[in-house]
Amino acid sequence: DSGVTQTPKHLITATGQRVTLRCSPRSGDLSVYWYQQSLDQGLQFLIQYYNGEERAKGNILERFSAQQFPDLHSELNLSSLELGDSALYFCASSPWTDNEQFFGPGTRLTVL
Amino acid sequence: AQTVTQSQPEMSVQEAETVTLSCTYDTSESDYYLFWYKQPPSRQMILVIRQEAYKQQNATENRFSVNFQKAAKSFSLKISDSQLGDAAMYFCAYRFGGGADGLTFGKGTHLIIQP
Repeated sequence: DSGVTQTPKHLITATGQRVTLRCSPRSGDLSVYWYQQSLDQGLQFLIQYYNGEERAKGNILERFSAQQFPDLHSELNLSSLELGDSALYFCASSPWTDNEQFFGPGTRLTVL
Repeated sequence: AQTVTQSQPEMSVQEAETVTLSCTYDTSESDYYLFWYKQPPSRQMILVIRQEAYKQQNATENRFSVNFQKAAKSFSLKISDSQLGDAAMYFCAYRFGGGADGLTFGKGTHLIIQP
């Protein structure tokens, strides 16, 4: 158990819908990262937040957005969902921006 | 942009034997970190080992060790005394050390342990 929690574990929805994935980092970690793992694209970095502010952006689509709240939990919002958005979404956390990252168990998103 | 290449989609090894997984990367930076992550069937991402580019000494964690060749941009993982629990996908990853950034992953190597 890495100490990073993600909810829900599984999510099934339809094309065109919007969903929110939630992540609680390890106690004391200020940095949160979001990753997408799909068969087509492999593991891709989406976005990073540090102490409430966006710090780095990866291959995140415009339909996707994220935020980190004052209690340091983070949410990833996915809108206008397409079949290709079906993937495993990981959250990871670290104490600072240059420490190793600890991954949560992931949220499996299925878009039908 | 940095890239990470794992040229072995699948590897198989007998239990108790030694296996080496290959990884090459491309970067123009001098300050970076390299990692090996393990993903068992549970899908949990588990950090196996890390290497700082400025360190010449190869990292070791129990049965896991790396061969870091900075000039060749090579970062292989050696697993000694392979155990059934080592069966998993193994991902090599790179991170720029100079500031905020996410991990860049290779496509992974599926490791099979033959009993």
